[in-house]
Amino acid sequence: EDKVVQSPLSLVVHEGDTVTLNCSYEVTNFRSLLWYKQEKKAPTFLFMLTSSGIEKKSGRLSSILDKKELSSILNITATQTGDSAIYLCAVAQGAQKLVFGQGTRLTINP
Amino acid sequence: NAGVTQTPKFRVLKTGQSMTLLCAQDMNHEYMYWYRQDPGMGLRLIHYSVGEGTTAKGEVPDGYNVSRLKKQNFLLGLESAAPSQTSVYFCASNMDGSYGYTFGSGTRLTVV
Repeated sequence: EDKVVQSPLSLVVHEGDTVTLNCSYEVTNFRSLLWYKQEKKAPTFLFMLTSSGIEKKSGRLSSILDKKELSSILNITATQTGDSAIYLCAVAQGAQKLVFGQGTRLTINP
Repeated sequence: NAGVTQTPKFRVLKTGQSMTLLCAQDMNHEYMYWYRQDPGMGLRLIHYSVGEGTTAKGEVPDGYNVSRLKKQNFLLGLESAAPSQTSVYFCASNMDGSYGYTFGSGTRLTVV
């Protein structure tokens, strides 16, 4: 059975801390791994990682794909209260669908 | 530039009632999807479509039907709602499956 597992499920830190979110997967026909940020409504796209692009960075956020270990991490440095959200990891199988993990709920306290 | 629009945003149904959720996208995307999101379970694919006139089952299709009569619209129907269908429903689309999806803002459905 295809599955994507995220850890931790919940994380509370203080503003300014650095956090690392984990995602591991066991899926057939892996195409890419995606990270989304979900605040109150729709998930918004952060990164897509593929075999040809295993590391991405945007400002304080960065992500790495480890195809050997079938996992990915999302790092956020110098966290801000606006980073509080649910972070979703998903794996794209072929062109048809995404398999999502449960999400990590990140809370940044001032 | 609306992106993906879902209607309604909220709905309360009684067990056994029927309803249709509408998803509309203005980006000329070929692929459209319906997901449901439940606490602690991430998003699960209900049905999807790879083009006008096509539909296919996802991970949790039972109790739902879909139609894609026009390229820009993807409808999700519940023929006889059950409390287990209480959830937040998200529609998503993309051009060809290669890039990050664009999600709608969701429909919160409660079945009592």
